[in-house]
Amino acid sequence: EVQLVESGGGLVQPGRSLRLSCAASGFTFDDYAMHWVRQAPGKGLEWVSGISWNSGSIGYADSVKGRFTISRDNAKNSLYLQMNSLRAEDTALYYCAKAPTPQQLVLYFDYWGQGTLVTVSS
Amino acid sequence: EIVLTQSPATLSLSPGERATLSCRASQSVSSYLAWYQQKPGQAPRLLIYDASNRATGIPARFSGSGSGTDFTLTISSLEPEDFAVYYCQQRSNWPATFGQGTKLEIK
Repeated sequence: EVQLVESGGGLVQPGRSLRLSCAASGFTFDDYAMHWVRQAPGKGLEWVSGISWNSGSIGYADSVKGRFTISRDNAKNSLYLQMNSLRAEDTALYYCAKAPTPQQLVLYFDYWGQGTLVTVSS
Repeated sequence: EIVLTQSPATLSLSPGERATLSCRASQSVSSYLAWYQQKPGQAPRLLIYDASNRATGIPARFSGSGSGTDFTLTISSLEPEDFAVYYCQQRSNWPATFGQGTKLEIK
């Protein structure tokens, strides 16, 4: 059974940093691209960032480019999101999501974690 | 970036009825469109990918159609568990973008 478990969220002041983690199990992690998708409270979904199976291809939404960094450790079956210079508008539930097709940076998401909440406020 | 506009914003129907949800793209996305279902307090679930392919484990009452800029998600006969928010999402162009959602509520 595919499982994705996010952690690392919390309350942080504007301008500070936070690192999110996603622990994956139930599939061959290093075969699949992975993504972060966020959802502000009561709002819709926004793709944040994605990384290919071998970290060779990485992409970011314009809203986070230059502030957020995605990475993965295939030996630890883990995905990360380093978030710097946080803003109030980054407040959201952050989901880790798996791409459906092996070894392709496909921007569909077939399995999702339950999310970790990031609140940016002074 | 490609803007996806979903209609209607809210759809009120009864169990057993047919639901038709629409998604229009600001430019062609070919067939690179997916549909997701989200229930309160839950993560989204992939229903349809590449406009018309059902994801693993998705019941046959869910179907998708369309190409280019106009897409439809059809639920042939609503079950009580189908009342939720539905999002479309394109992967034709980076960045991937989502529609604003259609809330399917019980009439």
